[in-house]
Amino acid sequence: EIVLTQSPATLSLSPGERATLSCRASQSVSSTYLAWYQQRPGQAPRLLIYSASIRATGIPDRFSGSGSGTDFTLTISRLEPEDFAVYFCQQSGSSPTFGPGTKVDIE
Amino acid sequence: QVQLVQSRAEVKKPGSSVKVSCKASGGSFSTYPITWVRQAPGQGLEWMGGINPLLGIADYAHNFQGRLTITADESTRTAYMELSSLRSEDTAIYFCARMLVQGTVSTGPWDYWGRGTLVTVSS
Repeated sequence: EIVLTQSPATLSLSPGERATLSCRASQSVSSTYLAWYQQRPGQAPRLLIYSASIRATGIPDRFSGSGSGTDFTLTISRLEPEDFAVYFCQQSGSSPTFGPGTKVDIE
Repeated sequence: QVQLVQSRAEVKKPGSSVKVSCKASGGSFSTYPITWVRQAPGQGLEWMGGINPLLGIADYAHNFQGRLTITADESTRTAYMELSSLRSEDTAIYFCARMLVQGTVSTGPWDYWGRGTLVTVSS
């Protein structure tokens, strides 16, 4: 099973700031199989990025994804109030797994 | 617009079973695999398994082998997740979600999600 580790666990920032979230895999993951989700309290996850860098339909361009192999990054260029949430990375191998999440909260 | 509507919250006794439904509207049902993901209170996300409605073939995470049955009824556009031998650790919100692309695998990514069904296991 591929284990995903996310850092930091919590990121305290202000609106307008840049957020950089990391996802590291225990073994190499094809970029095709790496996705990022946002989850707000009381809501289902929302697909943000798939294939490591492709924004899902309707996702603002302040969200971007990058990386390859075992290291992937989600960047939010300028935080909006609605971006304060938990972010999960996920790999779509034969046995999908999620990272534990990074909470982006207001400083 | 695709929508996935899940059944209501359930309270179950340890050792019993629960069956959660996920009814799809809009778009194609048969050609997009449906998956089930759960989230224990305050915890992360856990993939349980999924199904290709057209083929009726399901795959399951190892953690749930033998306890989990996922089915789909094309006539009603509804997928089901049944978990047996429930224990307190199964208390969670259970989400259904639809694959981003048509095909046979249900391993993600998923772009449409149900709102979740809370299953509470308590004596």
